Amino acid sequence: QKEVEQNSGPLSVPEGAIASLNCTYSDRGSQSFFWYRQYSGKSPELIMSIYSNGDKEDGRFTAQLNKASQYVSLLIRDSQPSDSATYLCAVYTSGTYKYIFGTGTRLKVLA
Amino acid sequence: GAGVSQSPSNKVTEKGKDVELRCDPISGHTALYWYRQRLGQGLEFLIYFQGNSAPDKSGLPSDRFSAERTGESVSTLTIQRTQQEDSAVYLCASSSYGETQYFGPGTRLLVL
Repeated sequence: QKEVEQNSGPLSVPEGAIASLNCTYSDRGSQSFFWYRQYSGKSPELIMSIYSNGDKEDGRFTAQLNKASQYVSLLIRDSQPSDSATYLCAVYTSGTYKYIFGTGTRLKVLA
Repeated sequence: GAGVSQSPSNKVTEKGKDVELRCDPISGHTALYWYRQRLGQGLEFLIYFQGNSAPDKSGLPSDRFSAERTGESVSTLTIQRTQQEDSAVYLCASSSYGETQYFGPGTRLLVL
């Protein structure tokens, strides 16, 4: 079992719809969770960080964390073609000092 | 303030040559990480630094790869006797522990 799992996609949604991206992780001791966006040929950039159970909203983005079920999700409301990118889920565990990345979900927003 | 910077942005080298990649982290970030990303692939962890020590070198692919860091400042990743399979984007990131990692723009390495 991979430490951080994401559906590779592509996930295609029409413009204006909600895109839902999911991530599961295996280490129950994980404490910090991050969503990054990576455009083709560019480096990852932070979208959201979340540290406690529940929802965290920032503009059109909402991160959801459920530690009991070991999943973290990212919702993108009113999706735009410019949101088309690969979204990486990352999990940090203090005992290892490492950030474990999923392989990413490719999102396509269709105009 | 300034973000993570990396140099060179692109490097073309011949098989068998040595290359040095440089990373300048965000000031004050104690942790520094190196990753490799092959075309169309995910991030592959190489090594991380806690200050200038490297507690985890488990991701280095072979003994041709080495890295060092000066204090809590610049880090260099050295690849000796480069091979074609070393062609990739090498990404550096810095953070305070458990906090957000910020990535540099990467160095695109092409080994001919």
